[in-house]
Amino acid sequence: EADIYQTPRYLVIGTGKKITLECSQTMGHDKMYWYQQDPGMELHLIHYSYGVNSTEKGDLSSESTVSRIRTEHFPLTLESARPSHTSQYLCASSEAGVAGANVLTFGAGSRLTVL
Amino acid sequence: AQSVTQLDSHVSVSEGTPVLLRCNYSSSYSPSLFWYVQHPNKGLQLLLKYTSAATLVKGINGFEAEFKKSETSFHLTKPSAHMSDAAEYFCVVSYSSASKIIFGSGTRLSIRP
Repeated sequence: EADIYQTPRYLVIGTGKKITLECSQTMGHDKMYWYQQDPGMELHLIHYSYGVNSTEKGDLSSESTVSRIRTEHFPLTLESARPSHTSQYLCASSEAGVAGANVLTFGAGSRLTVL
Repeated sequence: AQSVTQLDSHVSVSEGTPVLLRCNYSSSYSPSLFWYVQHPNKGLQLLLKYTSAATLVKGINGFEAEFKKSETSFHLTKPSAHMSDAAEYFCVVSYSSASKIIFGSGTRLSIRP
């Protein structure tokens, strides 16, 4: 059973609304990640964090922002949602141990639809 | 450039027949390699990983993969497909030198009754 939780699982919202996707893990992992995935497509890294107060942008440009105030919590926020933000957002975490052995644990995902 | 290529976007096999999902990587360094599975509307689950130990790696649900350095490949196999194996499979490579994780584009596996 995964120890990383994402809420909400599904969200349908109107254009211009502010949304926050929650991600929490109970494994004490230092590294956390947000990936964006369109249906049937590959994953794109949009944000990552290597620890508290550390956040970086990923390979795919995103209008979302993240914060890492606590080790276990890595929320993603969209200040003003647009239809182009419609996608699935996957949160993951990994231990900070041996570099290169980055085993990711994924949450179940948050599927966002912006009307 | 460091990259990972999944050679087939879609593979369809009959139930009970072998499964082969192909993955090649490019690198000058020794990578760590992973296969993840994603069932519809779910997150990704680790199937197996290679981290410079035995080259033949056994994973969950009867899957295994063999690391072949000479061919820069890490193909995923299963002797006998089951209907529950229908899902999207991702090959992932990780490089310690760059502390970077790279996902393949995914292979959708369909199982015919």
